[in-house]
This record gives sequence, C-alpha cells and structure tokens, in this order.
Amino acid sequence: GAVVSQHPSRVICKSGTSVKIECRSLDFQATTMFWYRQFPKQSLMLMATSNEGSKATYEQGVEKDKFLINHASLTLSTLTVTSAHPEDSSFYICSASTARQGARGYTFGSGTRLTVV
Amino acid sequence: DAKTTQPPSMDCAEGRAANLPCNHSTISGNEYVYWYRQIHSQGPQYIIHGLKNNETNEMASLIITEDRKSSTLILPHATLRDTAVYYCIVRVATSDSSYKLIFGSGTRLLVRP
Repeated sequence: GAVVSQHPSRVICKSGTSVKIECRSLDFQATTMFWYRQFPKQSLMLMATSNEGSKATYEQGVEKDKFLINHASLTLSTLTVTSAHPEDSSFYICSASTARQGARGYTFGSGTRLTVV
Repeated sequence: DAKTTQPPSMDCAEGRAANLPCNHSTISGNEYVYWYRQIHSQGPQYIIHGLKNNETNEMASLIITEDRKSSTLILPHATLRDTAVYYCIVRVATSDSSYKLIFGSGTRLLVRP
C-alpha cells in the first residue's frame, strides 16, 4: 500500500532557529500534500495544502512566512518552521494524496514532534 | 467547511461491537465521509470512507443515514489494539478543484479487557 515517510520523528531546537521537516511518498507520486499541526490532546489542524510545482495554500490564521512549504517534486514536500519559538512546539504531520488512489488516497506520515527550547 | 460532531469518549468491552456515531448535518451532496484513527503519537490510519451507501471492509463497517446527516462506524469485534482516537472527517473541495480532509475533535475509544 501507499507509504509516506516523515523525517525527523523528533527534533529539539533552540528558540530563534529554523527547522526543516521532510515528507516523502515512497511508492507513489503525490500530486497534493497536506501539513497538519496537532497540540496535546487536540485534533489535527490543517495548516496548508500544496500541489507539486505550485505555491502552497495556507489555512486562515497560518503565517505563510513562518511556515515555509516547498513541494518541488511529486515525492517530496518540506515544511520549514522559521525563527521557531516555544509556542511552535507541536506534533507536525504530513499527508499525501494522488488522484490514482481515488477517493481513498490520503496517506499520513508518522509525524514529527518539535520541541523548541 | 462541513463540520463533524462526535462524542468525546466511549468505551466498550473486548470482543463486543463498538459503534461510534458522528453528526455531519451540514454536509454537501458530493462530500465524502472518512474515518481515520490515531494511536498515541502516531499518524492517522485510514479505516473506511463512503458517500451515500453503507460500506464494509476488513476493518469496519460504515452506516450512513439516508439524509447523510449522520453516520456510524462499527468495529464488529473490538480488541484492545483498537483503543485509539477515532476521527470522523468530511472531505471538502478546495478553491483549486482539489480536496482536503478537515478533522473534527474525535472520539477517544477505550476497549476494556
């Protein structure tokens, strides 16, 4: 079945630095990738949607200059948290889809736990 | 965006059926209902999805009411490994003709030995 690999699984960074998270579709071409954020004991909140080769579409309230998304190829999307602060500490999850998978095609990565100290 | 409403928590006995309800009264005619589950600190796992008809697969059954305003996920024989947060989701169309999944608050299911 479809597999999405997310790396790193955990990262600790200092306040003010930037962190990059990678999301790869291993056995399919992902025309669309999604980035979610999840705080403890809360649901997943969609941050942005990116189509390969296009600019990402951000959800209302998500700062596009702070959360940089790149989807340069059909198998890789990256999320860069710039100038991270402790309030950015969260669980970040990517999801990938392709039209070939039909209506089922939303596969999630295993998530990245970001801690900003 | 269509929203879903789920009870925050439920429990059931191991080996019994778990019936998880979901209300999605604002769903549009072409919006699918998806169910995913999430075990602590992992990515969500696909369970099942449907549009109008009831659906069944190796994991679960999905019962959608005729007016499509609510649905029920049925795990026929719950095991301890089914303890997780279950999300009922409506797939909504975006402005660029693609789709996205908007998660509700989920139901925390505890399967008791």
